[in-house]
Amino acid sequence: EIVLTQSPGTLSLSPGERATLSCRASQHVFSDYLAWFQQKPGQAPRLLIYGASSRPTGIPDRFSGSGSGTDFTLTINRLEPEDFAVYYCQQYASSPWTFGQGTKVENK
Amino acid sequence: QLQLQESGPGLVKPAKTLSLTCSVSGGSTNTGDFYWGWIRQPPGKGLEWIGSAFYSGSSYYHPSLKSRATVSVDTSKNQFSLHLTSVTASDTAVYYCARRFSRWPFYFDYWGQGILVTVSS
Repeated sequence: EIVLTQSPGTLSLSPGERATLSCRASQHVFSDYLAWFQQKPGQAPRLLIYGASSRPTGIPDRFSGSGSGTDFTLTINRLEPEDFAVYYCQQYASSPWTFGQGTKVENK
Repeated sequence: QLQLQESGPGLVKPAKTLSLTCSVSGGSTNTGDFYWGWIRQPPGKGLEWIGSAFYSGSSYYHPSLKSRATVSVDTSKNQFSLHLTSVTASDTAVYYCARRFSRWPFYFDYWGQGILVTVSS
């Protein structure tokens, strides 16, 4: 099982700042099959990034993903008020599909 | 626009079976393009994939739940289901149904809104 470790646990930032979230895998993630999700209280997770760096239609370009192998990053440029949420990485390269424990981006 | 909607009891007694259904609208479960699965989230905690099934009947599960979980697709009703046996308080969670591509790009794209299931006597 691939274990995903996210850091930091909480990120305190102000609107307009840049957020940098890390996700480290215990094993190589084949073909960079890594996704990032955003979750707000009481809502289902929303896909932001797939394939480590691709954005689905409708996701603002202030969200970007990078990395490969075992180290991945989600960057949110110019935080908007609606971006304060919990973010999860997830690998879909090797079953069982696993998620990181989450990073909370909070408004400082 | 695809929509997934979970339904089922919100309260299940310990040692009983948790049974949930996910109704699909705006798309068909009778396709080889997707797997249909369940993911859960205990209160205040992270996400855990439970299992997924194909329209043809094949299924696969998280090893920790394999002995208790069954996911199946009913293409005639355009829905899929989860049965989790011998539940305990640790199975209390919000349960999400979700769709995953069966071929590239492989990721989970659509999720239901989730249903809270509490295991308690």
